[in-house]
Amino acid sequence: NAGVTQTPKFQVLKTGQSMTLQCAQDMNHNSMYWYRQDPGMGLRLIYYSASEGTTDKGEVPNGYNVSRLNKREFSLRLESAAPSQTSVYFCASSEAVSASSTDTQYFGPGTRLTVL
Amino acid sequence: QKEVEQDPGPLSVPEGAIVSLNCTYSNSAFQYFMWYRQYSRKGPELLMYTYSSGNKEDGRFTAQVDKSSKYISLFIRDSQPSDSATYLCAMILDSNYQLIWGAGTKLIIKP
Repeated sequence: NAGVTQTPKFQVLKTGQSMTLQCAQDMNHNSMYWYRQDPGMGLRLIYYSASEGTTDKGEVPNGYNVSRLNKREFSLRLESAAPSQTSVYFCASSEAVSASSTDTQYFGPGTRLTVL
Repeated sequence: QKEVEQDPGPLSVPEGAIVSLNCTYSNSAFQYFMWYRQYSRKGPELLMYTYSSGNKEDGRFTAQVDKSSKYISLFIRDSQPSDSATYLCAMILDSNYQLIWGAGTKLIIKP
């Protein structure tokens, strides 16, 4: 039982390049989330998905797109990377069947992204 | 002003000490309060969860909520080097709103 897995662990991009961060969970959770974590800022929600086929914007969605491919997988895409997107990205999942956030969120190990 | 304020630390204490970690918040409508622990280069993991005011104890950990002061605390008794991590507070208005996170306090327990 791996929990929440993320790939890649590290990535360096040049400004303007695109990439997709992958996330998968094996806990049969309904909801999945993408956060970014920056020094002194705390975790900020980028997008979340309360069920397969649905996605909603969080606090900082600009410059990102997401796809809830199936119940297990939730990907985050940067179409044209900018230095301001340098951050650590975390994927999380929970049992929540709606946008409720009271259920425990389980986090992946993170992807460290640098945009030059 | 951020909705949730947390001293970034680092807070360095000797092994065995009682640790007090705190968060203040500005929105008196917050109802649910959580503490997550994050080890270096890992994702956060839920430590404690409380609803409204009062105390909750789990082993060496006690979470305290003072809604009148808009202040929450996490106490760690008999601290161990393995408690060294960043502690994040998080809170939400009710079950239909997103988590609002503090920036985290880095804790170092010296052997």
